[in-house]
Amino acid sequence: DGGITQSPKYLFRKEGQNVTLSCEQNLNHDAMYWYRQDPGQGLRLIYYSQIVNDFQKGDIAEGYSVSREKKESFPLTVTSAQKNPTAFYLCASSMGSGRSYEQYFGPGTRLTVT
Amino acid sequence: DQQVKQNSPSLSVQEGRISILNCDYTNSMFDYFLWYKKYPAEGPTFLISISSIKDKNEDGRFTVFLNKSAKHLSLHIVPSQPGDSAVYFCAATSNTGKLIFGQGTTLQVKP
Repeated sequence: DGGITQSPKYLFRKEGQNVTLSCEQNLNHDAMYWYRQDPGQGLRLIYYSQIVNDFQKGDIAEGYSVSREKKESFPLTVTSAQKNPTAFYLCASSMGSGRSYEQYFGPGTRLTVT
Repeated sequence: DQQVKQNSPSLSVQEGRISILNCDYTNSMFDYFLWYKKYPAEGPTFLISISSIKDKNEDGRFTVFLNKSAKHLSLHIVPSQPGDSAVYFCAATSNTGKLIFGQGTTLQVKP
């Protein structure tokens, strides 16, 4: 059963700590994406990767870092430099090859930093 | 600079009636448009899409219309059902590998 897995569903951290959000896909998709959703602001792109060992900044990359060592995995680290880290984080994947077309989303991780 | 805009934050319709969700865009380079549906605390799911070479695409109860001259697209749901109650996002893309999303419209279908 192919899909995208994000874990955990809910994550709580203290301010000043780095935290890594997991994203795994078994759809054999080349491209993967990280978005953040805040109320009334839709989905904003943090980072994306079109092939292994390569990734690009999205619109709001400051305070975040990613890696793409394997095709199936695209973890996102929220660093202490991110000023407003509390949000709903969504990972997505697509066939890629320079065209987004349909992106398939994971169930999301809600991060709360206090 | 919001390249994709959904100016109606919410919409309420009666079950069985038509729901019309609207989306405007500013970038004339966009050539492919998508609609996603999202329930609370879940990831969005793809609903329907349209290429800029078409002006209409239909899939069951869902139809997307594209007016390139007005840089406007709309999603029609007929007939609306209570299970359609969700947040709907429109998105657009060109040859950049990225989707640009609107802010979303919350649809409530009343029984």
